[in-house]
Amino acid sequence: AQKITQTQPGMFVQEKEAVTLDCTYDTSDPSYGLFWYKQPSSGEMIFLIYQGSYDQQNATEGRYSLNFQKARKSANLVISASQLGDSAMYFCAMRENNNNDMRFGAGTRLTVKP
Amino acid sequence: NAGVTQTPKFRILKIGQSMTLQCTQDMNHNYMYWYRQDPGMGLKLIYYSVGAGITDKGEVPNGYNVSRSTTEDFPLRLELAAPSQTSVYFCASSRQGQITGELFFGEGSRLTVL
Repeated sequence: AQKITQTQPGMFVQEKEAVTLDCTYDTSDPSYGLFWYKQPSSGEMIFLIYQGSYDQQNATEGRYSLNFQKARKSANLVISASQLGDSAMYFCAMRENNNNDMRFGAGTRLTVKP
Repeated sequence: NAGVTQTPKFRILKIGQSMTLQCTQDMNHNYMYWYRQDPGMGLKLIYYSVGAGITDKGEVPNGYNVSRSTTEDFPLRLELAAPSQTSVYFCASSRQGQITGELFFGEGSRLTVL
């Protein structure tokens, strides 16, 4: 069974600095996808970034990048130049090729300080 | 473009009552999902469907039922509501079940059982 672990319940970062949110996963499927979602206080789920298990390069989307270390089974989200609007819950999720569902970690609450 | 629409947004139930959370999507997605999110926690999969007429259990299916008679609609039925079902419920869809397919979420339905 797949499993997603986010070990940081809460993180603080100073505005304009970079922050890394940790995510580790467990799967025996060689083909899988990793996703990060943002959930602001308004409650909606916003897709941020995707990394495939066979992708050779780390994914990037604007200020978001994914530090993918396949051997360590980690997929950390890096947010550069943090903004006050980045304050939110962040969820890591995984989808295996042999499963039809997507499972989520417990989330990390990020607070950006002015 | 409506995307994924959930109704109602808020509902208060008494213990033992039943209700249906409605979910519809206009993106012609085959895959649909129901998640619940307890306060301060991640999303847990209740049920999912890979197409009309096909449904399957997720991590926490007890106390719920689903049906999928059309591609667009995926209602979630709560029978004999219990306080433990107090949560925010999210419906989501994806184009296919492949690992690259991110989920598109509805805005959530906040349910309180008293």
